[in-house]
Amino acid sequence: DAGVIQSPRHEVTEMGQEVTLRCKPISGHNSLFWYRQTMMRGLELLIYFNNNVPIDDSGMPEDRFSAKMPNASFSTLKIQPSEPRDSAVYFCASGSRFYEQYFGPGTRLTVT
Amino acid sequence: DAKTTQPTSMDCAEGRAANLPCNHSTISGNEYVYWYRQIHSQGPQYIIHGLKNNETNEMASLIITEDRKSSTLILPHATLRDTAVYYCIVREGNKLVFGAGTILRVKS
Repeated sequence: DAGVIQSPRHEVTEMGQEVTLRCKPISGHNSLFWYRQTMMRGLELLIYFNNNVPIDDSGMPEDRFSAKMPNASFSTLKIQPSEPRDSAVYFCASGSRFYEQYFGPGTRLTVT
Repeated sequence: DAKTTQPTSMDCAEGRAANLPCNHSTISGNEYVYWYRQIHSQGPQYIIHGLKNNETNEMASLIITEDRKSSTLILPHATLRDTAVYYCIVREGNKLVFGAGTILRVKS
């Protein structure tokens, strides 16, 4: 298996633009997690899905952030409009047991 | 408040055992302890978890004290590739909340 796949790996955009991050989980995993990591705040859970259904989105910072999981093999995290403070590394992880999460390589987002 | 406390950083000589401590004095009776690590520029990686018995797998050993207030992750023969941030985690609801972790530097 190729592991969790994230795209793009790097994204540079201007403030106000829409950003869409993509994730393909490991086949057979029924849970999917989106995290954000910054130097200041560390690794934060934004939202997680179980069987394609959002279970907890309490970590989503504000309405500018939204996440979807239309099927078991694809999820998106969208930021609209983006702001410089959204600059971070965004990780997607999947798992069949919530404690054993397999992380993707991350997307490094820079908003100027 | 964080459920775990770990030293900020540790050094270890290559080939020696690395012992990473973690305090979790408020852990409840049915809560597991989970360990992850994050190598630079990569996503975190699951290592091991345990409840009250010592656990061992191909990556590491986990020793949990009898009162369960602390645990130690042991890498028996550390290599340079084990240099990473190691996170000790106690579940919070249905989430794994990653703290600051311990930066382990393995030196030759």
